Amino acid sequence: AQSVAQPEDQVNVAEGNPLTVKCTYSVSGNPYLFWYVQYPNRGLQFLLKYITGDNLVKGSYGFEAEFNKSQTSFHLKKPSALVSDSALYFCAVRGGGSYIPTFGRGTSLIVHP
Amino acid sequence: ETGVTQTPRHLVMGMTNKKSLKCEQHLGHNAMYWYKQSAKKPLELMFVYSLEERVENNSVPSRFSPECPNSSHLFLHLHTLQPEDSALYLCASRPGQGSYGYTFGSGTRLTVV
Repeated sequence: AQSVAQPEDQVNVAEGNPLTVKCTYSVSGNPYLFWYVQYPNRGLQFLLKYITGDNLVKGSYGFEAEFNKSQTSFHLKKPSALVSDSALYFCAVRGGGSYIPTFGRGTSLIVHP
Repeated sequence: ETGVTQTPRHLVMGMTNKKSLKCEQHLGHNAMYWYKQSAKKPLELMFVYSLEERVENNSVPSRFSPECPNSSHLFLHLHTLQPEDSALYLCASRPGQGSYGYTFGSGTRLTVV
């Protein structure tokens, strides 16, 4: 079985400050990890993925995520937050045996001006 | 627009009504999915249509009935729903074997009264 935990319902950060949205996972075999963002009244948009290779993955809108195998984590980061980054962020994982990912419950990111 | 179009965007229906949600993609993707999104819960996979995977989600009540007449269209037929079925219903599609990311539609906000 595969699972994802996003331990924070909400993350608050001031504009210009670095942000981190946490994600830990459990999966059999090598993980395929994803981050998606959802803006109000929209579906989920793909941000980035880790399949193999460098542990630091760069994605859209200046976001990046760091894969840490020993801690089974895939935290989303951005060096300098923008008010427009305020949205709901979902982490997802799947194992090699399935094309169907398991999503977390989402973390609401609020960036204050 | 993501290339996955869902209609209607909003739907209010009584518990005795019958309605259908529609999803359409012309991205050439080979797999389509229905997800249910409820506040502060993980995305719930409801149905999968794919040449590569078969998922029997026995937890989805029979009042939800999917139909996939071709690779570009997906429907979710609804009848005798309950108020707890109120949620955002998301359609997603994925290219064929070897691909990893989903493309989501904007969703249908369903309210059952």
